[in-house]
Amino acid sequence: EVQLVESGGGLVQPGGSLRLSCAASGFTFSRYWMYWVRQAPGKGLVWVSRINSDGSSTSYADSVKGRFTISRDNAKNTLYLQMNSLRVEDTAVYYCARDIGYSSPLDYWGQGTLVTVSS
Amino acid sequence: DIQMTQSPSSLSASVGDRVTITCRASQSISTYLNWYQEKPGKAPKLLIYAASSLQSGVPSRFGGSGSGTDFTLTISSLQPEDFATYYCQQTYSTPFTFGPGTKVDIK
Repeated sequence: EVQLVESGGGLVQPGGSLRLSCAASGFTFSRYWMYWVRQAPGKGLVWVSRINSDGSSTSYADSVKGRFTISRDNAKNTLYLQMNSLRVEDTAVYYCARDIGYSSPLDYWGQGTLVTVSS
Repeated sequence: DIQMTQSPSSLSASVGDRVTITCRASQSISTYLNWYQEKPGKAPKLLIYAASSLQSGVPSRFGGSGSGTDFTLTISSLQPEDFATYYCQQTYSTPFTFGPGTKVDIK
């Protein structure tokens, strides 16, 4: 069974840092492109970042570029999101998700981890 | 960046109704368009990919169509479990933007 389990969320002050993790199981993690998507409370889905299967290529939303870094450890079947210089507007549930190919549909999502940026 | 719009933003419908949601891209995206369903407290669920392909396990009452800039998600006969928010997403070019969502609730 495919599973994605996020962790690392919590309360952080503006300007602070957090690292989110997404532990993958039930599939060959190293073969899939992976994503982070976030959802602020009561708001819609927002694409955050993408990484290719071997970690050599990444993309970011303009709102997080230069502050967030996506990475992966295929030996540990784990996806990461390093978040620096956090802002109040980064408060959201962060989901990791798997891309299954043509048109990059995200077929499996984690349960999400809540990041709250507040003083 | 490609902007996505959806209409309506919300709708009220009854069980058994045919429901249509429209998604429009600010530029042509071919068929790089996916649809998701979201329920409160749960992760989004993939319904349709590549504009018209039904994801495995999704009921056949869900259908997608369109290409270029205009797309449609249709639920042929609304069921109680379909009351949710629906999002389109373009994957033609990064950032892979989502539409603002369409909330379907009970009339």
